[in-house]
Amino acid sequence: EAAVTQSPRNKVAVTGGKVTLSCNQTNNHNNMYWYRQDTGHGLRLIHYSYGAGSTEKGDIPDGYKASRPSQENFSLILELATPSQTSVYFCASGDAGGPNTEVFFGKGTRLTVV
Amino acid sequence: QQKVQQSPESLTVSEGAMASLNCTFSDRSSDNFRWYRQHSGKGLEVLVSIFSDGEKEEGSFTAHLNRASLHVFLHIREPQPSDSALYLCGSAGNKLTFGIGTRVLVRP
Repeated sequence: EAAVTQSPRNKVAVTGGKVTLSCNQTNNHNNMYWYRQDTGHGLRLIHYSYGAGSTEKGDIPDGYKASRPSQENFSLILELATPSQTSVYFCASGDAGGPNTEVFFGKGTRLTVV
Repeated sequence: QQKVQQSPESLTVSEGAMASLNCTFSDRSSDNFRWYRQHSGKGLEVLVSIFSDGEKEEGSFTAHLNRASLHVFLHIREPQPSDSALYLCGSAGNKLTFGIGTRVLVRP
């Protein structure tokens, strides 16, 4: 069964601190994505990756970095966390594209920056 | 850049009455479209994926795609209170882009 696991599930961070959100997938998918979800904005794409070693900027990349060290793992890094980055973050993995593309989501990480 | 808009923002229906949601996308470049459901505080559950013009049914959910008019619809047959959730439309090309969602409330 397709699985995307995010850790931690909840995180409280201090302003100016560094935060790393981790994502692991066992689907052997090439593509992985990081989104944030906020009321009134829906899901917005932060960074994505086509495979190990690749990272691409999404629609709202400012203040975030991403790292894809392997096929299975994709991390989102907040070097200097700010309260505006308080949100729920979702990781997803998917096939490379085409009509049969499937995308699976993790359960989300609730990040609070105080 | 693909943009996705959903309407209405919220919808209240009575149990058993058909619910219809609309999703409009900005260009025809996407490979496919999918509808997700998200219960409060939970993750995303894929309901139906559609690639070709026409209809695709998955259980009580039917998606209808019309690329020419840039619309994809979701119809929920005989919704139950447990179907109360946020419904998200996603457009998949090189990246998956979402609308802000339609919040559906099904009253007993």
